[in-house]
Amino acid sequence: NAGVTQTPKFRVLKTGQSMTLLCAQDMNHEYMYWYRQDPGMGLRLIHYSVGEGTTAKGEVPDGYNVSRLKKQNFLLGLESAAPSQTSVYFCASSYDGGGLSNQPQHFGDGTRLSIL
Amino acid sequence: GQNIDQPTEMTATEGAIVQINCTYQTSGFNGLFWYQQHAGEAPTFLSYNVLDGLEEKGRFSSFLSRSKGYSYLLLKELQMKDSASYLCAVRGSSGGSYIPTFGRGTSLIVHP
Repeated sequence: NAGVTQTPKFRVLKTGQSMTLLCAQDMNHEYMYWYRQDPGMGLRLIHYSVGEGTTAKGEVPDGYNVSRLKKQNFLLGLESAAPSQTSVYFCASSYDGGGLSNQPQHFGDGTRLSIL
Repeated sequence: GQNIDQPTEMTATEGAIVQINCTYQTSGFNGLFWYQQHAGEAPTFLSYNVLDGLEEKGRFSSFLSRSKGYSYLLLKELQMKDSASYLCAVRGSSGGSYIPTFGRGTSLIVHP
């Protein structure tokens, strides 16, 4: 019963390098999300997807790209990393986003990313 | 857009009761969630409210007033392990989808 799995768990990058964070869920959820969490800022939504092949911008999308080629996977890319992107990144998934659904988001364990 | 406010930090004594408030402004309200997050860990789901009133789950209860844009999480018989951050998330409409937005979280410190 894996739930939501994020890889890698930790990563250190140099400014200008690129990388991809992978999120995989085995609950057949339609909705997937990428958040960043910084001290005192709570969880801020970067991008989200409401189904396979769809993506949409969240609150803080600049500097990031995403893809949802398969329903179970949601990838977050940093094309040219900047120190301001140092953060903890959480992926989440949920059954659906509306219709008075009481289904909560399920979160991965996070990726701690440092940009030097 | 959405605006969600929670106190930054609260302290309480083991065995006591604490109430964590959350006020919000949103369009197309479609539910409010409370999550618990221990330091260095992922958020985990605590409760959900979509209709006015109180939802009780063991030591934890959550209340919602949609007309006032207000919710609270009530923790009874506090234990040391309840020291954590508590996140209020409001689900509102966004381009035809319903997407949760999180408050900044309330750090609760429980002391003996």
